Amino acid sequence: DGGITQSPKYLFRKEGQNVTLSCEQNLNHDAMYWYRQDPGQGLRLIYYSQIVNDFQKGDIAEGYSVSREKKESFPLTVTSAQKNPTAFYLCASSLTGANYGYTFGSGTRLTVV
Amino acid sequence: AQSVTQLGSHVSVSEGALVLLRCNYSSSVPPYLFWYVQYPNQGLQLLLKYTSAATLVKGINGFEAEFKKSETSFHLTKPSAHMSDAAEYFCAVTFTGGGNKLTFGTGTQLKVEL
Repeated sequence: DGGITQSPKYLFRKEGQNVTLSCEQNLNHDAMYWYRQDPGQGLRLIYYSQIVNDFQKGDIAEGYSVSREKKESFPLTVTSAQKNPTAFYLCASSLTGANYGYTFGSGTRLTVV
Repeated sequence: AQSVTQLGSHVSVSEGALVLLRCNYSSSVPPYLFWYVQYPNQGLQLLLKYTSAATLVKGINGFEAEFKKSETSFHLTKPSAHMSDAAEYFCAVTFTGGGNKLTFGTGTQLKVEL
């Protein structure tokens, strides 16, 4: 079955370390997105990509980086510059076209220890 | 700029009672509207969507929503709540030419009591 897979489900990071969250989809979707979720704040867009080798900053891109070398993959790196990285991270993908909506992965919970 | 407002960050209903979760949108062009559900420590799952066809939209798990342009609303309802409906619900909006990007509300936590 087609879907979108995020790994790992839980991730612990020491202060000062970079970590990379994986997101892979086999839905043949062109667009992919990364959101951060904090209690009471809804979903905030970090980065998005509508085509391979191209991506744009979202509302809270500082301290994060992404790449889109393959259509299927959109990894997110949380760098040491991100001051408060502890959060739930969600990856999503979609077809091109506003009426389709997104398919979400199951999320990665990142905790700084 | 487009936006959605979800009134009530927490809603509590009794099992078997009507569920009503409110969503109002702001968009200068015709919107596409979505409702998603999220269970603890999981991703979001699409419940239903409005894409300019029928104004009354039926979704999964017995939920439905009605698009009311005059009220700029897209409220989510279910006639009879079940314990399994306890979750967080998100309303989202986009529009043609918006680059596919969804703007999400801050969510409503639904609690279902016996």
